[in-house]
Amino acid sequence: AQKVTQAQTEISVVEKEDVTLDCVYETRDTTYYLFWYKQPPSGELVFLIRRNSFDEQNEISGRYSWNFQKSTSSFNFTITASQVVDSAVYFCALDGSQGNLIFGKGTKLSVKP
Amino acid sequence: GAGVSQSPRYKVAKRGQDVALRCDPISGHVSLFWYQQALGQGPEFLTYFQNEAQLDKSGLPSDRFFAERPEGSVSTLKIQRTQQEDSAVYLCASSLLDRGYGYTFGSGTRLTVV
Repeated sequence: AQKVTQAQTEISVVEKEDVTLDCVYETRDTTYYLFWYKQPPSGELVFLIRRNSFDEQNEISGRYSWNFQKSTSSFNFTITASQVVDSAVYFCALDGSQGNLIFGKGTKLSVKP
Repeated sequence: GAGVSQSPRYKVAKRGQDVALRCDPISGHVSLFWYQQALGQGPEFLTYFQNEAQLDKSGLPSDRFFAERPEGSVSTLKIQRTQQEDSAVYLCASSLLDRGYGYTFGSGTRLTVV
């Protein structure tokens, strides 16, 4: 079975704090893709990153960084020096065998000024 | 177009009414997906098209749900005899190719059945 677990339902931080959003996945595929999406209050899903299963290098994009560890089936997302505009629901997703995305339940991040 | 466009943005339907939700994918995108997102949950897969062919409809919750993409571009998700449990945001996504290439989502249609 394929599954994505985001154990943190809600996180609240104060601006400029660092925050890590956890994602654990299950799949029997040897080739797969992992994604992070941001869903602001307006509702659209905004693509953040795609990572394939063969590339375990960590990635940094500005204040965002991702830590992919196949050994623990985790793909965690860190926001450094958080800002109020980072407040949103963040979804981790796995590219399923049929091409569809399997989403976690999401983590709601609130960044307070 | 520049992005995936969905209409209407909001729809209120009386229980038992039929509704049709439209998705305009990015021009040239081969793959098109429909997802249902209940309040406080992650999106859940409904169905998938590659061009005009519906390759997977395993996520459709009942035979009241029907989707089509007759010319391989615009898609319509139809829900017959709506029920309260159909209330959700319906998201459409398109992709240039098949799996792994990234998906662009529309803003969704929020359906409320009263």
